[in-house]
Amino acid sequence: DIQLTQSPSFLSASVGDRVTITCRASQGISSYLAWYQQKPGKAPKCLIYAASTLQSGVPSRFSGSGSGTEFTLTISSLQPEDSATYYCQQFNNLPLTFGGGTKVEIK
Amino acid sequence: EVQLVESGGGLVQPGGSLRLSCAASGFTLSDHYMDWVRQAPGKGLEWIGRIANKVNSYNTEYAASVKGRFTISRDDSKNSLYLQMDSLKTEDTAVYYCARRLGGTNRYNDYWGQGTLVTVSS
Repeated sequence: DIQLTQSPSFLSASVGDRVTITCRASQGISSYLAWYQQKPGKAPKCLIYAASTLQSGVPSRFSGSGSGTEFTLTISSLQPEDSATYYCQQFNNLPLTFGGGTKVEIK
Repeated sequence: EVQLVESGGGLVQPGGSLRLSCAASGFTLSDHYMDWVRQAPGKGLEWIGRIANKVNSYNTEYAASVKGRFTISRDDSKNSLYLQMDSLKTEDTAVYYCARRLGGTNRYNDYWGQGTLVTVSS
């Protein structure tokens, strides 16, 4: 199975900060990676797919990059509504796997 | 508008069975792969299985943690997806989500249901 390791697992940042979350795959997954945002009690919401394509309706402050084994999700200017847990997911091989999550707190 | 609505969750004893449903609307279910994903209380997301679309003969695949105990099926004529859960264990306690998958080079789950809670406890 492909392991996805997210870092950090928790981060606290201020409104307006640039925030970067990393997802490392245990083997190459091309660009078959998606990023999701999940708020408490809600279903995950896709932000980025194919590693770097912004899902329709998602603010442009979110961006994704990477291919192969290393990927990043960047929030260019953190907003209060971005307080959530973020997950990466690979779609290259079955079983599909998720990263462990990164909880983002607003200071 | 695309919508997915899960139902059927509840409290069940260890060793028991439960069948979850996912009602789909706003799109042609038979065109899409569908996934089930769960989330134990306070934990991360876990993919548990998928069913392929009609073109791919409704093939199913499962995570090792549920293989042989869970069965995914679908009835496209009823726009519904199902998850039959047998021999339930306490560690199956989770919120269960169904999700539509897009394929090709842009693979991801674009729509998710709201989730249904399954609690396995005596």
